[in-house]
Amino acid sequence: AQTVTQSQPEMSVQEAETVTLSCTYDTSESDYYLFWYKQPPSRQMILVIRQEAYKQQNATENRFSVNFQKAAKSFSLKISDSQLGDAAMYFCAYNSGNTPLVFGKGTRLSVIA
Amino acid sequence: DGGITQSPKYLFRKEGQNVTLSCEQNLNHDAMYWYRQDPGQGLRLIYYSQIVNDFQKGDIAEGYSVSREKKESFPLTVTSAQKNPTAFYLCASSMWGRMYGYTFGSGTRLTVV
Repeated sequence: AQTVTQSQPEMSVQEAETVTLSCTYDTSESDYYLFWYKQPPSRQMILVIRQEAYKQQNATENRFSVNFQKAAKSFSLKISDSQLGDAAMYFCAYNSGNTPLVFGKGTRLSVIA
Repeated sequence: DGGITQSPKYLFRKEGQNVTLSCEQNLNHDAMYWYRQDPGQGLRLIYYSQIVNDFQKGDIAEGYSVSREKKESFPLTVTSAQKNPTAFYLCASSMWGRMYGYTFGSGTRLTVV
């Protein structure tokens, strides 16, 4: 079974600084998708960014970017110019074939003013 | 506006009772999912459905039941067989296929009293 591991239960960052959240996954598939979701205190899950495994170029969405290392099975999220509104739980997720999303246990990000 | 609606937001269950959580979507999505969220556990899959009148067990299906009589609706029943039902429950929907991220409802917090 595929697994997703987020090794940092909690992280903090100063406002306007950059932070990187780690995610590794285990799979024998070659074609799959990876996602980062944000869950703010409202608990509404929000899709932040998506990466297709067959694309070598790292996905970027405004201040959010990923570092996708397929051989290492690593998918980290970089948040630049951190803002107070970035404080949330962040979940890494994996999807391949016809199986539902598998989520990591999450990283709680605090932003310090 | 299209979206996915979960109700109620808060639900209290007495020991030995069955309760049903509602999930409705008007996004014309094929697939629907139920996840359970506990502190430090991430999101764990309970059940999912790809098409009407068909559904599959997820990783933690014991003590839960579902139905999919309409494309728009995917209710979850928490039965008395579920020994530790206190948790936050999230419903999601998507087009079927690994490239699609999920749209999530706002969740239901279930507490046993």
